[in-house]
Amino acid sequence: DTEVTQTPKHLVMGMTNKKSLKCEQHMGHRAMYWYKQKAKKPPELMFVYSYEKLSINESVPSRFSPECPNSSLLNLHLHALQPEDSALYLCASSQVYDSTGELFFGEGSRLTVL
Amino acid sequence: AQKVTQAQTEISVVEKEDVTLDCVYETRDTTYYLFWYKQPPSGELVFLIRRNSFDEQNEISGRYSWNFQKSTSSFNFTITASQVVDSAVYFCALRSHGNTGKLIFGQGTTLQVKP
Repeated sequence: DTEVTQTPKHLVMGMTNKKSLKCEQHMGHRAMYWYKQKAKKPPELMFVYSYEKLSINESVPSRFSPECPNSSLLNLHLHALQPEDSALYLCASSQVYDSTGELFFGEGSRLTVL
Repeated sequence: AQKVTQAQTEISVVEKEDVTLDCVYETRDTTYYLFWYKQPPSGELVFLIRRNSFDEQNEISGRYSWNFQKSTSSFNFTITASQVVDSAVYFCALRSHGNTGKLIFGQGTTLQVKP
């Protein structure tokens, strides 16, 4: 079983909806990540939080809004999405944000935008 | 520039065959870390191995083995006696010391193991 839990597993939303993806880890990790993965492609980094502070935003459109309420939780708020935003959204965590450690991924939230 | 190339898009083997997944990387950093991840149909990326640039020892874990060769910038992954449960997408990835941790993925290799 994965130690990074993502909810919901599947989400269908219209372009005017507001929804949120949630991610939780209880490994004591202090770095958390959001990745976007399109079919048959590798994951693409969106955001990195380190010690609950946003460290990296990979020029993600503002219709995606991340939030890190505490060291165990990571949210991704979605608003006014486009059909091309349909993808698998993966959350990951690592002990700290540096180059050495492995990332632990959740199973992802599969998002469909109609 | 940092880059990871997995030239094999798809591989199909019959159960019990050995299979090698190729990975070639590019980086100018002297300190870096290489990873392999497995992504089964469930979606989760499962960490398999991490190798740092100073450790060229090959590693074996059960049916899995990895061959790291700095001279050819390659980090290949071999599955011995493949099983149907090995069917997945496998990603090779690179993190450089000077890149503050961004994980650079290859395009992935889809492995299908047929019974």
